[in-house]
Amino acid sequence: ETGVTQTPRHLVMGMTNKKSLKCEQHLGHNAMYWYKQSAKKPLELMFVYSLEERVENNSVPSRFSPECPNSSHLFLHLHTLQPEDSALYLCASSQETSGGRVGGELFFGEGSRLTVL
Amino acid sequence: DAKTTQPTSMDCAEGRAANLPCNHSTISGNEYVYWYRQIHSQGPQYIIHGLKNNETNEMASLIITEDRKSSTLILPHATLRDTAVYYCIVRGASGTYKYIFGTGTRLKVLA
Repeated sequence: ETGVTQTPRHLVMGMTNKKSLKCEQHLGHNAMYWYKQSAKKPLELMFVYSLEERVENNSVPSRFSPECPNSSHLFLHLHTLQPEDSALYLCASSQETSGGRVGGELFFGEGSRLTVL
Repeated sequence: DAKTTQPTSMDCAEGRAANLPCNHSTISGNEYVYWYRQIHSQGPQYIIHGLKNNETNEMASLIITEDRKSSTLILPHATLRDTAVYYCIVRGASGTYKYIFGTGTRLKVLA
């Protein structure tokens, strides 16, 4: 139990569906992340939110739409996905400090395994 | 952020020390070295981090060379449950947010 909970754990969707992935952290952290992990590939950073403001957006296609309504919750809205979007989607959180000190370590959820048919 | 280079895979006998190397020759003065591991199909797990001094915790030890261009993660008594992919990451000060994961080292602990 890492304090980061992702739902659903498994999702199968068609290319025309709209679905959402949910992440909740119980650690009081101020930054949240979405990573994508495709088979045989390294983790790819998708989005970062700090204090509910998006601070990183790594050229992710618009069919992925993040939402961070508060510091404890992060969503990834999915629509008109492609089969190549099938992957493990990982959420993480960290506590970032100010003043140039090193940021905190990442705490990951177990991931949501997405299959696009 | 500095790039890291790790061997693709390593084997280690159960009960022996596992020494996982990482090269980060372009690391800058304010960048820390972090280690994570990922057991199959789970989220990565934080292990340890350091700046220039050697560090030890209940999971592992981290040895950073004096010039900081490389480091070694040491699992003192490897068990079968330590079989995982180990990632070495360098990261700057708070606010950069870019934890960039490479391909890591796939460690297999053999019975």
